[in-house]
Amino acid sequence: DQQVKQNSPSLSVQEGRISILNCDYTNSMFDYFLWYKKYPAEGPTFLISISSIKDKNEDGRFTVFLNKSAKHLSLHIVPSQPGDSAVYFCAASDGTSYGKLTFGQGTILTVHP
Amino acid sequence: GAGVSQSPSNKVTEKGKDVELRCDPISGHTALYWYRQSLGQGLEFLIYFQGNSAPDKSGLPSDRFSAERTGGSVSTLTIQRTQQEDSAVYLCASIEGQGAVYGYTFGSGTRLTVV
Repeated sequence: DQQVKQNSPSLSVQEGRISILNCDYTNSMFDYFLWYKKYPAEGPTFLISISSIKDKNEDGRFTVFLNKSAKHLSLHIVPSQPGDSAVYFCAASDGTSYGKLTFGQGTILTVHP
Repeated sequence: GAGVSQSPSNKVTEKGKDVELRCDPISGHTALYWYRQSLGQGLEFLIYFQGNSAPDKSGLPSDRFSAERTGGSVSTLTIQRTQQEDSAVYLCASIEGQGAVYGYTFGSGTRLTVV
């Protein structure tokens, strides 16, 4: 039972363009959503998060959008840079589980110079 | 230490053998999590330790898996009688306090290969 899904295993974009990574969830109890970035041979690092009371959160080149009615969130990276090439995981928490996160399968982003 | 340290970074073991994976969390972090990532899958929750409270073992996939945390610091994940489906990257994370979902610090993981 995959409660958090990233349906695109990979995404390729040109440097300077926008990268859009998508994530869908099924559990309506999720109220906090996060994006993590992972380079090879390293652990995931926190990128950006959003609470369910908001529909948008922005941090520099990274913006996360949340559509609660559609149970969908997306991460926008503008402009994309080659150093953004990594695996991106979305994750969700239901707020009752002491920070336990449910992760999606990840999307491999490749940004070409 | 400055970060979460995991050892070994890579482990190849024969099917049926036992393995121990170690996690050294950030000093002072009271909460510790184990996750694993199988090929093509997301990170799967395994177990959670918080201070001296009883751990949440609800994510352990079978009774071949066990974990302990000694002295509220170092944690060891043990897999007995390893199977090929146990092959995965095992990740440890720690946070300060409780419920700080944004505050996970992950280690680099242990890549386990069961042959």
